[in-house]
Amino acid sequence: GAVVSQHPSRVICKSGTSVKIECRSLDFQATTMFWYRQFPKQSLMLMATSNEGSKATYEQGVEKDKFLINHASLTLSTLTVTSAHPEDSSFYICSASPAGGPWETQYFGPGTRLLVL
Amino acid sequence: KNQVEQSPQSLIILEGKNCTLQCNYTVSPFSNLRWYKQDTGRGPVSLTIMTFSENTKSNGRYTATLDADTKQSSLHITASQLSDSASYICVVRQWHDMRFGAGTRLTVKP
Repeated sequence: GAVVSQHPSRVICKSGTSVKIECRSLDFQATTMFWYRQFPKQSLMLMATSNEGSKATYEQGVEKDKFLINHASLTLSTLTVTSAHPEDSSFYICSASPAGGPWETQYFGPGTRLLVL
Repeated sequence: KNQVEQSPQSLIILEGKNCTLQCNYTVSPFSNLRWYKQDTGRGPVSLTIMTFSENTKSNGRYTATLDADTKQSSLHITASQLSDSASYICVVRQWHDMRFGAGTRLTVKP
């Protein structure tokens, strides 16, 4: 149980284009989902917290207009990297907290490798 | 300065050997501490979670210890296997924030 999937697993795009990453909780409902970014040999960095049906809360330094988050249902959250640039190349990981459980219980997705050329 | 420091940064051991990874934190107030295993190119998977009152907790060949007074935790891996090769991340909860360590990259060689 408690499986989180991400799609795509890896994506290559041209600079200036937008990329959408999906995060799904497959066997549970998640009221809260988290988006992280991880650069090589570095720790996960929280980008934003999204709650179903409301606006996402972004961490300091993360541009909300560049990283659009939509948490439209209890099983799906999407992260759209708009006008991607090479410096946005990174490993993006989502996590989901089961509805009714403590927010800190997070099940992580397998991650999405983004390469912007 | 990161509030969660892990050491060593990387470690190479032979299959079958034991090893211990360290996590020192300055996060306060402290709620709990988790150890995650992250395989390359994958999301982290929780190994253990420890609260203030717990000193040790085991999960198979993984044993975590916590000294809340000195703000230190360790993860001991017994009889290492090739599949243990991964990054091990220490995460400390502070109120509604989670502070991530940079991880220790463990490589187990045959």
